[in-house]
Amino acid sequence: AAGVIQSPRHLIKEKRETATLKCYPIPRHDTVYWYQQGPGQDPQFLISFYEKMQSDKGSIPDRFSAQQFSDYHSELNMSSLELGDSALYFCASSSRTTLPDTQYFGPGTRLTVL
Amino acid sequence: GENVEQHPSTLSVQEGDSAVIKCTYSDSASNYFPWYKQELGKRPQLIIDIRSNVGEKKDQRIAVTLNKTAKHFSLHITETQPEDSAVYFCAASFNSNSGYALNFGKGTSLLVTP
Repeated sequence: AAGVIQSPRHLIKEKRETATLKCYPIPRHDTVYWYQQGPGQDPQFLISFYEKMQSDKGSIPDRFSAQQFSDYHSELNMSSLELGDSALYFCASSSRTTLPDTQYFGPGTRLTVL
Repeated sequence: GENVEQHPSTLSVQEGDSAVIKCTYSDSASNYFPWYKQELGKRPQLIIDIRSNVGEKKDQRIAVTLNKTAKHFSLHITETQPEDSAVYFCAASFNSNSGYALNFGKGTSLLVTP
């Protein structure tokens, strides 16, 4: 079965640079969630989208923004990168029409800020 | 907001023994409780979940119990195998108009020794 796709899988940036992470949800899933996971920590919810509208907001810094497009893929834009932004970034997707609370995670993007 | 506590943080068992991980949550509105298994550097993988209208759910060697009154839920793994070694996260979410963002526990590092 098709799973959540994230790109790139690895990304290395310098401080103060920008980064864009992409997420392609499971086919027919309409909801996308972004999570940040630091080393040895649990995933922290950043933001979610349903039908191209922001549905919930968590601990997302003001330097980050995100959106969902008409094909349901989502992009997380990160600006003025800091060393502390180094983490694994996971996207998860779900379907509001079947099991809206059940989230499946993508493989993640490992962001390293130097 | 929701606060999920998870114990123990590390757990070591002999192959064939059972393992139990416990979580408590603070928000009585929470109604969905998934468990994820995460191997090092990999995605969180949904292994079992339970909703608030059910007290227990079993899938082969894995079972989850929920006590809504006490606001705690537990993961039980029987006949453990070395490949069960991973970090296990419990999580909680609730049905709201804004979405189903997950609040995770801090994780339990399970080691199954042959």
